[in-house]
Amino acid sequence: AQTVTQSQPEMSVQEAETVTLSCTYDTSESDYYLFWYKQPPSRQMILVIRQEAYKQQNATENRFSVNFQKAAKSFSLKISDSQLGDAAMYFCAYRSAGDKIIFGKGTRLHILP
Amino acid sequence: NAGVTQTPKFRILKIGQSMTLQCTQDMNHNYMYWYRQDPGMGLKLIYYSVGAGITDKGEVPNGYNVSRSTTEDFPLRLELAAPSQTSVYFCASSYSARVPQETQYFGPGTRLLVL
Repeated sequence: AQTVTQSQPEMSVQEAETVTLSCTYDTSESDYYLFWYKQPPSRQMILVIRQEAYKQQNATENRFSVNFQKAAKSFSLKISDSQLGDAAMYFCAYRSAGDKIIFGKGTRLHILP
Repeated sequence: NAGVTQTPKFRILKIGQSMTLQCTQDMNHNYMYWYRQDPGMGLKLIYYSVGAGITDKGEVPNGYNVSRSTTEDFPLRLELAAPSQTSVYFCASSYSARVPQETQYFGPGTRLLVL
């Protein structure tokens, strides 16, 4: 069965600095997608970024980028120029074709002013 | 386009009471999902539906029931509330589940407290 592991329950970063959130996963599939979701205090789940497993190029969305290492089954999220509004729970998620999304337990990110 | 809406936002139930959590989407999505999120945990799938009239169990279906009479609505029913069902419930929808890149859109959540 597929699993998603986020080993950092909480992290803190100074405003304007860069932070990296870790995620590893386990799968025997070759075709799958990986996601990072943000959950602010409002509890709304917001898609931050997604990565197709067949693409070697790392996905980027403005200040958010990923480091996708397929062989190592690693999918970390880098947030550059951290802002107060980035404070939230961040969930790593995995999905293969025709299957349901599997979420990690989350990393709570604190932004220090 | 409101996206995925959920009602109520918050509810307190007594043990043994019943209630229905409402979920509606206006994006004409075929797939809809119910998740629960316990404190400090990720989301766990309760039930999902691939279209009107079709529902299936997820990872933690016990104590819940669902129906899908229309494309837009996917209510979640708790028949005999138990303290273990205290959680935040999220409804989500997507156009399809067959392509992995399909994004799930989430509602704002319903916080349920069973005392």
